[in-house]
Amino acid sequence: GAVVSQHPSRVICKSGTSVKIECRSLDFQATTMFWYRQFPKQSLMLMATSNEGSKATYEQGVEKDKFLINHASLTLSTLTVTSAHPEDSSFYICSAQTDPDRGGYTFGSGTRLTVV
Amino acid sequence: AQSVTQPDIHITVSEGASLELRCNYSYGATPYLFWYVQSPGQGLQLLLKYFSGDTLVQGIKGFEAEFKRSQSSFNLRKPSVHWSDAAEYFCAVGATEKLTFGTGTRLTIIP
Repeated sequence: GAVVSQHPSRVICKSGTSVKIECRSLDFQATTMFWYRQFPKQSLMLMATSNEGSKATYEQGVEKDKFLINHASLTLSTLTVTSAHPEDSSFYICSAQTDPDRGGYTFGSGTRLTVV
Repeated sequence: AQSVTQPDIHITVSEGASLELRCNYSYGATPYLFWYVQSPGQGLQLLLKYFSGDTLVQGIKGFEAEFKRSQSSFNLRKPSVHWSDAAEYFCAVGATEKLTFGTGTRLTIIP
């Protein structure tokens, strides 16, 4: 089946630095990928939708200059948290659309970001 | 706008007992409906989905869900839970694009 690989699984960074999270589709081409953020014991909130070769579409309230998304190829989307602050600490999950006509989505295993 | 409500934040059941997790949705057209399970610190695993056809959907790990359009519901059921079913369960609604998730139900299994 379709597999999405997300790295790193955990990262700790200093406040003010940037962190890049990668999401790769291993055995299929992902035209569309989604990035979610999940706070402890809460649901997934969609941050942005990325389409290969075009600019990402951000949800209302998400700072596009802080959360940079790049989807330069059909198998790779990246989320860069720029100038990270402790409030950016969260669990980030990517998802790829595998079958748009039948509601097919595959999720990465998530990245736990801790900003100290 | 689409939305999902999972009224139960936390449910505790005994191992071997039956389970039903509730999900109500709001959507303008015929929705795609999903149930996902998440173990701590992990991503989401799809249990089952409905997009058309038979309203009773069978999934993995012995789970099933029934789509009831009149009640805007898509409740998840399992006849006999196992200790390994303890996790967070999310209902989601969507169509050809983004998914909207409910707030989740945490399932605890007691021996």
